[in-house]
Order: sequence, then C-alpha cells, then structure tokens
Amino acid sequence: QQPVQSPQAVILREGEDAVINCSSSKALYSVHWYRQKHGEAPVFLMILLKGGEQKGHEKISASFNEKKQQSSLYLTASQLSYSGTYFCGTVFMDSNYQLIWGAGTKLIIKP
Amino acid sequence: GAVVSQHPSRVICKSGTSVKIECRSLDFQATTMFWYRQFPKKSLMLMATSNEGSKATYEQGVEKDKFLINHASLTLSTLTVTSAHPEDSSFYICSAQLGGVGETQYFGPGTRLLVL
Repeated sequence: QQPVQSPQAVILREGEDAVINCSSSKALYSVHWYRQKHGEAPVFLMILLKGGEQKGHEKISASFNEKKQQSSLYLTASQLSYSGTYFCGTVFMDSNYQLIWGAGTKLIIKP
Repeated sequence: GAVVSQHPSRVICKSGTSVKIECRSLDFQATTMFWYRQFPKKSLMLMATSNEGSKATYEQGVEKDKFLINHASLTLSTLTVTSAHPEDSSFYICSAQLGGVGETQYFGPGTRLLVL
C-alpha cells in the first residue's frame, strides 16, 4: 500500500522548477507533504484533503487529483534551501488513519 | 505553534542498557503520538501509535517488550529501548497529531541512538 513517489532523485540548478509525484492504487483520505534535511526530522509542508484541491503559494504548491489517488508537489524557481528529501505521507479511507510514507524523492539544488 | 520536542537529541550507550526517549508537544495537546524509526537514506518506518491513557498499538514486527511506550499525558510520550543492542542504533523520531485522526502530524527533531 506504500504510495509510489517519482522521481527517486532530481538535481536542479538554482531557479529551475521541479515536480514530485505521489501515486496510490486506492483512493486516499488525505495526502501530506514533508521535507527532510539530512540528519533532521521531517518538516510539514502541507496537507491536501479534497479531490481537485490545489494549495500552497507561488513557490511551493501541491495538487490532489479528483480521484484522490495522485498528488503532485510543485517547486518553482527553486532555491538552495529547497534541497532535501521530500516525502509524501498518505492516509487511506479504510485504514485507521495512519500515515503511510512514500520512499522519498531526493532533491539537490546546485548554485 | 505546533512544536514538538524530543530529548535527548543524541545518545550513546553500551549494549545491554536501556534508553528512554521523551517526546513532548509543547504548545498543544496531542491525543495521539507516533514513534518512527528511520534508517539512513530510507523512509520513515512507523513503530507504534501511542494514545494517551491506553496501550500503544505496535506495528507488525516491532517487539513491544523491546520498545516500551508510555503515553502518560496529552503532552508526553516516552519510548524506552530496553536492553539495547547495536542493531537498535538508529534515528528515532516522534510525531504528535494536531487535530483529529488523519490530520497533520508534527515531528520532533529526532533522537540519534548509537549502541556500542
């Protein structure tokens, strides 16, 4: 039931854009996005609950498709501080509401 | 808001000793806290779900007698690694849930455990 994250890793130059995807085989209750820097705990970015939802701000935003099986995280005009591993955490409707984590996407931003 | 602390941040102990890790929600009450373990370059692995005033729910393969969890209050949960061995060395992270089930989890800074 682990969600599938893609890509596994991406290397960008500062100012470039990135999209990270998170897919589930079953409909989800919610999707959570976190960023983790090396040696630190994950930091919450945002949660999406509604199908068709888009949220965030100009630089970092996310979408949740109508079927609630796929979410994408958009990083626009990336900054060096965006480097880290991005995890999506999914909650299934028929579960006990535990977060099931994707394997992570490592993002490296070069100057 | 929504700050979670963990103590200690780093601990080194001898094999056979027990180590207690504390997780506190500083500015909110958390009826549910989670304990995770993370190996290098891997995703988080849920160990157990801790509800205040009741026994923790352990994930399959996690030894409850080895990893003792106590959720004494709405702001404190503890994880005790009993009779620690080198294979228990890892990064342990707790999170506290803000809001209802399925809602946002806020993570503590993690505890790096090294068992010699």
